[in-house]
Amino acid sequence: DVKVTQSSRYLVKRTGEKVFLECVQDMDHENMFWYRQDPGLGLRLIYFSYDVKMKEKGDIPEGYSVSREKKERFSLILESASTNQTSMYLCASSLFVNNEQFFGPGTRLTVL
Amino acid sequence: GDSVTQMEGPVTLSEEAFLTINCTYTATGYPSLFWYVQYPGEGLQLLLKATKADDKGSNKGFEATYRKETTSFHLEKGSVQVSDSAVYFCALRHTGNQFYFGTGTSLTVIP
Repeated sequence: DVKVTQSSRYLVKRTGEKVFLECVQDMDHENMFWYRQDPGLGLRLIYFSYDVKMKEKGDIPEGYSVSREKKERFSLILESASTNQTSMYLCASSLFVNNEQFFGPGTRLTVL
Repeated sequence: GDSVTQMEGPVTLSEEAFLTINCTYTATGYPSLFWYVQYPGEGLQLLLKATKADDKGSNKGFEATYRKETTSFHLEKGSVQVSDSAVYFCALRHTGNQFYFGTGTSLTVIP
């Protein structure tokens, strides 16, 4: 089974802190994605990556950056956390362009 | 641009009731369509998919048919169980890597 793991299930940070969310997949997938999930808004794509060191902006990249130094790991970085970044963050991966996405369990981030 | 619209929730049903969750999409050409399910405290899991018009996806008693003429992909189940309580997301994938998700429909099944 494909496994996508995220470093934390729950995280509490203070405004202005730098926050790292880590995602690891174990199936050699090319594509990896970061979403945020908010009530009434569904899932919104922040960034995705289709190869090591490659990244593309999604619909809401402002305030975020990403890093993909190894194929299995895709990190989401909040350079200076703000309260409006309190959300559930979901990581996903897929093998090729036309394949389904496999999701991690999510990280619920609270910024105080 | 591409988008997905699904019915607002929450939906509450009694066990063994019939379920329909509506989903319509906007996209040019022929997108692939998906239903994902999110159980409490978990990430999303693929429930079923259809990649071309008139395809029917099915899994765990759930079905959805890709209707090009009505741009719809409604989710149905004939007899829901308490264990089906979850949030259901309709999604499409068109050109490129990007998926577009609906806002989710919360389903609660009561015994």
